Amino acid sequence: RKEVEQDPGPFNVPEGATVAFNCTYSNSASQSFFWYRQDCRKEPKLLMSVYSSGNEDGRFTAQLNRASQYISLLIRDSKLSDSATYLCVVRNAGNMLTFGGGTRLMVKP
Amino acid sequence: GAVVSQHPSWVICKSGTSVKIECRSLDFQATTMFWYRQFPKQSLMLMATSNEGSKATYEQGVEKDKFLINHASLTLSTLTVTSAHPEDSSFYICSASGGGRETQYFGPGTRLLVL
Repeated sequence: RKEVEQDPGPFNVPEGATVAFNCTYSNSASQSFFWYRQDCRKEPKLLMSVYSSGNEDGRFTAQLNRASQYISLLIRDSKLSDSATYLCVVRNAGNMLTFGGGTRLMVKP
Repeated sequence: GAVVSQHPSWVICKSGTSVKIECRSLDFQATTMFWYRQFPKQSLMLMATSNEGSKATYEQGVEKDKFLINHASLTLSTLTVTSAHPEDSSFYICSASGGGRETQYFGPGTRLLVL
């Protein structure tokens, strides 16, 4: 079983749609959680950290459920520029990051 | 955010040659640098972690004699792929942390193609 699992997609949605991504992690001792965005042939870039209380950054909302070891990302009012691969990332002891396989999003006009 | 650079951004080489990739933290002292590899349609896989001035710690399945890592200064780490073969063709990405920053900052990556 992979330590961080994501639905690979692709998710094909029209502009303006709301789309949700899910992620599960297996290490209950994981300390911090993030969503990264990776464009084709580019390095991953931090989108947002994820907190148990839930956090929002503009059109993006992230949620963490430690009991279920489940992380989510909600994107509202999708834009064409949101098309990318979204990586669920978990940080364990020693500042080690473990990446999920990524979920590909394609927003179409 | 902090800036991390990688050089070269891409390289094509013949099978059997060695390739050196540099990772530099430009505006902070990186006590720890990480090297990842990403094959097409797959996620990033950590290859090794290096702390300045000490030997790198390699992940299981990564050959330390093939992927030589040097982290001799707080701003530079190098990854040398020795005797590269076509199966080593991949996207190599470094990240750096340190200077009070827990976040890892990623370099832009190096695309390696071994013919």
